[in-house]
Amino acid sequence: NAGVTQTPKFRILKIGQSMTLQCTQDMNHNYMYWYRQDPGMGLKLIYYSVGAGITDKGEVPNGYNVSRSTTEDFPLRLELAAPSQTSVYFCASEGSGFYNSPLHFGNGTRLTVT
Amino acid sequence: AQKITQTQPGMFVQEKEAVTLDCTYDTSDQSYGLFWYKQPSSGEMIFLIYQGSYDEQNATEGRYSLNFQKARKSANLVISASQLGDSAMYFCAMREDNAGNMLTFGGGTRLMVKP
Repeated sequence: NAGVTQTPKFRILKIGQSMTLQCTQDMNHNYMYWYRQDPGMGLKLIYYSVGAGITDKGEVPNGYNVSRSTTEDFPLRLELAAPSQTSVYFCASEGSGFYNSPLHFGNGTRLTVT
Repeated sequence: AQKITQTQPGMFVQEKEAVTLDCTYDTSDQSYGLFWYKQPSSGEMIFLIYQGSYDEQNATEGRYSLNFQKARKSANLVISASQLGDSAMYFCAMREDNAGNMLTFGGGTRLMVKP
């Protein structure tokens, strides 16, 4: 199984550009999440989804948008990229939504905005 | 207030020795889960071990064990017989049943294993 797949692995953006970070999972998980990790820090939740068509904001949603048209895919959109969005972005999924279930993470996308 | 606190930014341990990574948490929820993840220099997040709030025994997974002290709200990770490949960032995280089950992370501890 591929698990959670993120593309691209690396990207450099100029200030004001936009891009979409792709995330897909093949485990039929309803719950999907986007986190960002700033250098030397823990992960912070950007957006999450509890199923197709349902999304909600996390701790740090400003400057981002998401959509969930299928169970498999959960893309993260950056509009008007800013240097503060330089970070490593992780997508994650899990199947139950219960507190005892670990999240499965993709390998991350390293984004630099200059 | 921080939900998850890891007070050790960095630690050294001699190869083959045991090491404890500290984690304290803050919750008023009765039902919650505590997780440890490992992040090697390659960057991926690897799930190591889980402890539930109702679990009476400490969790163990191979060389990893979790020293769970519920009254003190601590969930320390113990790695026995450290190996060079254990050098990585380690994150403690929590999911709370009444907080939408979001996974909240601590700031991490960088462990360096010396040969």
